[in-house]
Amino acid sequence: EAGVAQSPRYKIIEKRQSVAFWCNPISGHATLYWYQQILGQGPKLLIQFQNNGVVDDSQLPKDRFSAERLKGVDSTLKIQPAKLEDSAVYLCASSLGGGYGEKLFFGSGTQLSVL
Amino acid sequence: GENVEQHPSTLSVQEGDSAVIKCTYSDSASNYFPWYKQELGKRPQLIIDIRSNVGEKKDQRIAVTLNKTAKHFSLHITETQPEDSAVYFCAAHSGGGADGLTFGKGTHLIIQP
Repeated sequence: EAGVAQSPRYKIIEKRQSVAFWCNPISGHATLYWYQQILGQGPKLLIQFQNNGVVDDSQLPKDRFSAERLKGVDSTLKIQPAKLEDSAVYLCASSLGGGYGEKLFFGSGTQLSVL
Repeated sequence: GENVEQHPSTLSVQEGDSAVIKCTYSDSASNYFPWYKQELGKRPQLIIDIRSNVGEKKDQRIAVTLNKTAKHFSLHITETQPEDSAVYFCAAHSGGGADGLTFGKGTHLIIQP
């Protein structure tokens, strides 16, 4: 089966610039997550969508980060303006969305470097 | 919110020996505890999970134990092989509507030949 697709694979920007990441989840998966993984740390949940509605965005820095999932399929995560501390791998994951304790399927991630 | 602590940060074992990674969590309402393996430059992948109504689960060379009273759970890998070298993350899910996981900081497992 096709996995979770993410693009771009790498992105280098200067601080204060804006950047956007794209994610296409596994077909039929209702739940979509964006995680931030800083080097040497575990993934940190930024936002969770159930179909096209936000379930949890409590750890999303809303002054600079935004995300949307129009039509309940693809999703984009945007950072504007970027800071040095935003350098990380941004992982998208999806799950069936039938309840808690489901297996998460991760994409390959977008490695962001902010200079 | 949930807080997950993971130890050790690095673990080096001889090939064929066993490896144990330990995690503690803070939220007594947490009820699902998965373990993910992440090879260098690759995506995290689920290797085993356990739910709060079970004390132990085994899948071939991998086992996970859960002590709800002490709020800790462990990953056990027996007869380690070179392909077990990776970073392992424990995670916890708290009850409620959101399904997002809280991850530990990871353990870099090194298998020495």
